[in-house]
Amino acid sequence: EPEVTQTPSHQVTQMGQEVILRCVPISNHLYFYWYRQILGQKVEFLVSFYNNEISEKSEIFDDQFSVERPDGSNFTLKIRSTKLEDSAMYFCASSESRFSNQPQHFGDGTRLSIL
Amino acid sequence: AQKVTQAQTEISVVEKEDVTLDCVYETRDTTYYLFWYKQPPSGELVFLIRRNSFDEQNEISGRYSWNFQKSTSSFNFTITASQVVDSAVYFCALSEARDNQGGKLIFGQGTELSVKP
Repeated sequence: EPEVTQTPSHQVTQMGQEVILRCVPISNHLYFYWYRQILGQKVEFLVSFYNNEISEKSEIFDDQFSVERPDGSNFTLKIRSTKLEDSAMYFCASSESRFSNQPQHFGDGTRLSIL
Repeated sequence: AQKVTQAQTEISVVEKEDVTLDCVYETRDTTYYLFWYKQPPSGELVFLIRRNSFDEQNEISGRYSWNFQKSTSSFNFTITASQVVDSAVYFCALSEARDNQGGKLIFGQGTELSVKP
């Protein structure tokens, strides 16, 4: 069964450094998402992306965050100058169509640790 | 405002017991979608079920069943004859209908289910 893949599984970065989290969505999916889960808390929406542009973003997704689909298969989340509070599990998800009833399929996540 | 509440933070049962996980949601939309996801100890999020606001039929899939009641804004999840492998955090989520935009998921806080042998 096709799946969303995320790399790396764990990223350790010094505060203030830039980090790029990578995702390969399911190949025929059109919508892409990033979510964040701080340890022990709920999963929070960051951003949705369709047709090479952001569809919606949350308050968390401020100017230090950006997303890109550089080559038609990868979908990346960049955090420009990391802070301690960015430490979390980051999940990428994709869905087949642009309608809200489609389930989003999640990758296994990237655990980001900021030191 | 959209909100999902899972009041049960942790539930512990003994294997073979039935267990119900509660989910209550708030939305102003008349069309919306509800989901359940499972997060096992390994951390991934696994899609379990989707329900749309027009379909109040309950659903059963093996040992899993879901009870959607629009009148009480609830979408509860029951595991019958629980097994140790059911131990996980279960998230209820809401998506509002936004044609051509792909709705974000709004998650509840999750219920951590522990099934003991």
